Amino acid sequence: KQEVTQIPAALSVPEGENLVLNCSFTDSAIYNLQWFRQDPGKGLTSLLLIQSSQREQTSGRLNASLDKSSGRSTLYIAASQPGDSATYLCAVKRSGGYNKLIFGAGTRLAVHP
Amino acid sequence: DTAVSQTPKYLVTQMGNDKSIKCEQNLGHDTMYWYKQDSKKFLKIMFSYNNKELIINETVPNRFSPKSPDKAHLNLHINSLELGDSAVYFCASSQGAQETQYFGPGTRLLVL
Repeated sequence: KQEVTQIPAALSVPEGENLVLNCSFTDSAIYNLQWFRQDPGKGLTSLLLIQSSQREQTSGRLNASLDKSSGRSTLYIAASQPGDSATYLCAVKRSGGYNKLIFGAGTRLAVHP
Repeated sequence: DTAVSQTPKYLVTQMGNDKSIKCEQNLGHDTMYWYKQDSKKFLKIMFSYNNKELIINETVPNRFSPKSPDKAHLNLHINSLELGDSAVYFCASSQGAQETQYFGPGTRLLVL
């Protein structure tokens, strides 16, 4: 059974810091891994999607890496800003079958000025 | 334009009542989903429909019944509401079963 764990559960940093959010999964037979952002009282916004054959994806100040064999992914946020404050969720889709995402519990990020 | 919309945004009701949550997507996607986010913030899939056909049905009480009148809509009807049903329910859609899912804003259900 696939389980997804995110560390740390919460993070508070001053503006401008570079930071790393971690995601681990127990079953390496994944189709892809996706990072989402959730703002309080709002839905989820997809940030980056990494296919199982890829090692990383980049979008602006965000970079996500994937090491499928070790069951790990990291989300790197460069030069953090207060607007980055949100909960970041990692989700994996297993190989085969339908588009069923298994989510981690998220990392709650606060970036203070 | 809102891509995936849900109504209502908030729902407060008494135990034992029956309620429905509606979801609509204007992205032209053929696959839609319902997720539940509990108090510990874990998001878990409940159902998925592809072209109005049920393709994922997790271990969910049969008090929960999804209905897809067409590809753009997936509604969730809940009978005999219980305290443990209090959660945020998210609708999502994707084009095909392999593509990125787009989420709605969520419906916050509180059962008293």
